[in-house]
Amino acid sequence: GENVEQHPSTLSVQEGDSAVIKCTYSDSASNYFPWYKQELGKRPQLIIDIRSNVGEKKDQRIAVTLNKTAKHFSLHITETQPEDSAVYFCAAKFSSDYKLSFGAGTTVTVRA
Amino acid sequence: GAVVSQHPSRVICKSGTSVKIECRSLDFQATTMFWYRQFPKKSLMLMATSNEGSKATYEQGVEKDKFLINHASLTLSTLTVTSAHPEDSSFYICSARPSGTTTDTQYFGPGTRLTVL
Repeated sequence: GENVEQHPSTLSVQEGDSAVIKCTYSDSASNYFPWYKQELGKRPQLIIDIRSNVGEKKDQRIAVTLNKTAKHFSLHITETQPEDSAVYFCAAKFSSDYKLSFGAGTTVTVRA
Repeated sequence: GAVVSQHPSRVICKSGTSVKIECRSLDFQATTMFWYRQFPKKSLMLMATSNEGSKATYEQGVEKDKFLINHASLTLSTLTVTSAHPEDSSFYICSARPSGTTTDTQYFGPGTRLTVL
């Protein structure tokens, strides 16, 4: 099965600074990589995703980059705000089914 | 759009009893739904894939007789924790993938907090 590693486990940034979270995956056949944001006790919310035929995708302050050769993808949050504080999970989908394998999560704290 | 609900949101039960959790896709049909378990400050662990009209597919290490899954319609999947014990206490989350599309996106329910006394 797919193995996804996520770093760092915790990240504290000053408001207005950027935050970067990195994930690596093991299966080169994986073709879909979503990022979810989860606030305490709430459901994971999809914030951005990327497919294997694209190298970068941006949505306002959030961007994701994918390096298929190195099998890693990253989430970039610019101009961080206190409401960005949450746990962020990366995930990868093996090509032959719809199951997602999740990273361990990154707790992001934005200091005002 | 793409809203998934779960019921109940919280449940407390006695050891040895069974608990049923419902997962509904409110505004779309979902041939495939997924059940996850999440421990405090941990990641989502896939338990099983629920397939409408057929048997669920369980991940390695998940007891199918312990966690019964039924996906009787295109908008409803249920997870029944049978003979629950304190170690089954956890946050159970479902997700649903819209059918009739090529999307890989999964939409998550709000989760059910199960506490077994």
